Amino acid sequence: DSGVTQTPKHLITATGQRVTLRCSPRSGDLSVYWYQQSLDQGLQFLIQYYNGEERAKGNILERFSAQQFPDLHSELNLSSLELGDSALYFCASSTRTGGTGELFFGEGSRLTVL
Amino acid sequence: GENVEQHPSTLSVQEGDSAVIKCTYSDSASNYFPWYKQELGKRPQLIIDIRSNVGEKKDQRIAVTLNKTAKHFSLHITETQPEDSAVYFCAAEEGSASKIIFGSGTRLSIRP
Repeated sequence: DSGVTQTPKHLITATGQRVTLRCSPRSGDLSVYWYQQSLDQGLQFLIQYYNGEERAKGNILERFSAQQFPDLHSELNLSSLELGDSALYFCASSTRTGGTGELFFGEGSRLTVL
Repeated sequence: GENVEQHPSTLSVQEGDSAVIKCTYSDSASNYFPWYKQELGKRPQLIIDIRSNVGEKKDQRIAVTLNKTAKHFSLHITETQPEDSAVYFCAAEEGSASKIIFGSGTRLSIRP
């Protein structure tokens, strides 16, 4: 158990819909990262937050947004969903603002868009 | 931004033999290079990492080497065992930002 909690574990929805994925980092970790893993693909960096502020952005679509709340949990919002958004979305946390430390991944939220 | 390329995409080795996975990176300012292992249906987990001030690091059967001049780093697994079967990802921290950029992964299979 990494200490990072993601909900929901599985989500099935239709094209055009909007979903919210939630992540609770390890106790004490200030940084939260979001990654997308499509079938047989690598880990695509989406966005990183540190103590409530956005710190780095990857190739995140405009239809996607995220935030980190004062209690340090984070949410990834995916809207106007398309079939290609079906993927496993991982949240990871670390203690440092930079990446110079271990990322602790949650179990992931598997999104299926029909 | 940082770009990490990883080879091979699949690798099959006989149990007991060694496996080598290679990665290159583009950002010369990168200083941190972790390796993650993802077993089937599981989350990625850190297995070893190396920083730019060292050229090699070992942890039991696993070793990582770094060549900053050539901008490449490699993972070496010796005396492979069935439990080594997994997808392995190399990664690099983008020097100017807080991103950890991953390679595309190597699916390692250990033949009995």
